[in-house]
Amino acid sequence: GNSVTQMEGPVTLSEEAFLTINCTYTATGYPSLFWYVQYPGEGLQLLLKATKADDKGSNKGFEATYRKETTSFHLEKGSVQVSDSAVYFCALRGYSTLTFGKGTMLLVSP
Amino acid sequence: EAGVVQSPRYKIIEKKQPVAFWCNPISGHNTLYWYLQNLGQGPELLIRYENEEAVDDSQLPKDRFSAERLKGVDSTLKIQPAELGDSAVYLCASSYRGADTQYFGPGTRLTVL
Repeated sequence: GNSVTQMEGPVTLSEEAFLTINCTYTATGYPSLFWYVQYPGEGLQLLLKATKADDKGSNKGFEATYRKETTSFHLEKGSVQVSDSAVYFCALRGYSTLTFGKGTMLLVSP
Repeated sequence: EAGVVQSPRYKIIEKKQPVAFWCNPISGHNTLYWYLQNLGQGPELLIRYENEEAVDDSQLPKDRFSAERLKGVDSTLKIQPAELGDSAVYLCASSYRGADTQYFGPGTRLTVL
């Protein structure tokens, strides 16, 4: 079946540092890939997505590239802000449902 | 545009009591999902509706959980009786049929004592 593996957190960074959160997946076929973000006390929000191999999703300075050869969709940001502190979920969409990773907490200090 | 609305936001009950959660999806969204999110985990699908029809309920524990989506709009998820292990966040999401993007509500945090 489908599965998503994310690096464990928390990831602790200083403001303006470079961020990478690793995500790899196992799936049959050609799934769409997503990053969702969950701020404290809120629901999940779509951050970015990619629907086919080599696509790059981007939003709010975050980027992730769909790498079929390595089955990966790593999240990156060149300069994090305190306001980026949240839990980040990698997910894939197979036929019709989302399969999520366990989430990675990001803590950014001033 | 209003987002997905859920209520209540928090619920504390004693074990063996019943509990119900309500969800109002984004207007026009045919597909509605209920997810369970345990602490430190990603959401897991409980049930998916296309309009008023439950098309995927394979992960719903049917001995104690039930759901309905009358008229294909609002939905209610019920647990009867609740157990200690049901303490979690229950998320509702909606989307257009066949669309990639799901929109999530804020969730209901259930604590069973």
